[in-house]
Amino acid sequence: DAMVIQNPRYQVTQFGKPVTLSCSQTLNHNVMYWYQQKSSQAPKLLFHYYDKDFNNEADTPDNFQSRRPNTSFCFLDIRSPGLGDAAMYLCATSRQGSNQPQHFGDGTRLSIL
Amino acid sequence: AQKITQTQPGMFVQEKEAVTLDCTYDTSDPSYGLFWYKQPSSGEMIFLIYQGSYDQQNATEGRYSLNFQKARKSANLVISASQLGDSAMYFCAMRGQGGSQGNLIFGKGTKLSVKP
Repeated sequence: DAMVIQNPRYQVTQFGKPVTLSCSQTLNHNVMYWYQQKSSQAPKLLFHYYDKDFNNEADTPDNFQSRRPNTSFCFLDIRSPGLGDAAMYLCATSRQGSNQPQHFGDGTRLSIL
Repeated sequence: AQKITQTQPGMFVQEKEAVTLDCTYDTSDPSYGLFWYKQPSSGEMIFLIYQGSYDQQNATEGRYSLNFQKARKSANLVISASQLGDSAMYFCAMRGQGGSQGNLIFGKGTKLSVKP
């Protein structure tokens, strides 16, 4: 049973048209993350929530925003997607602590037309 | 600053043989965790194994084991009895006490191909 669920699996949007990616979890983990992964590269952390506390990575573009309305759900909003935003977007969850693994969803592959 | 280095962009292994994927790390944190993830071509990241910096024994998880050498700052993944389904990208990652709560630092990955 999937524990971190990302929808949709594939998303196509037009240049400049806002898009929202969603993530839900059944693990009741208090930390949720969004990563961007481009082809043949390692995942890059965009931001994470520790409970309701939002933490933005310093180099995350302003174009990217996130919402976490409750423990189970987290959304990634891209306000004006550019061609360079085409990537795999991975959601992950974990418990607090350096020994806690992050559990990833299957990812959403975003294409920009 | 924390850093993970995976020096093997690609590796080949014969089916049923063992393979070692290299990972070295750098950190000033006294307490940290090391993780290995598998990413098949379909894209999902699958957690494989964890090693804590204070763990006395090397971690093992089925066919996966971690050769942890703290003094050398290395945490190599050993896959025994390789299977065709093991063909994937493998990422080594580290998480420390310092810095951001969410800061899982990834290496660049090693692409493993298992030959029949």
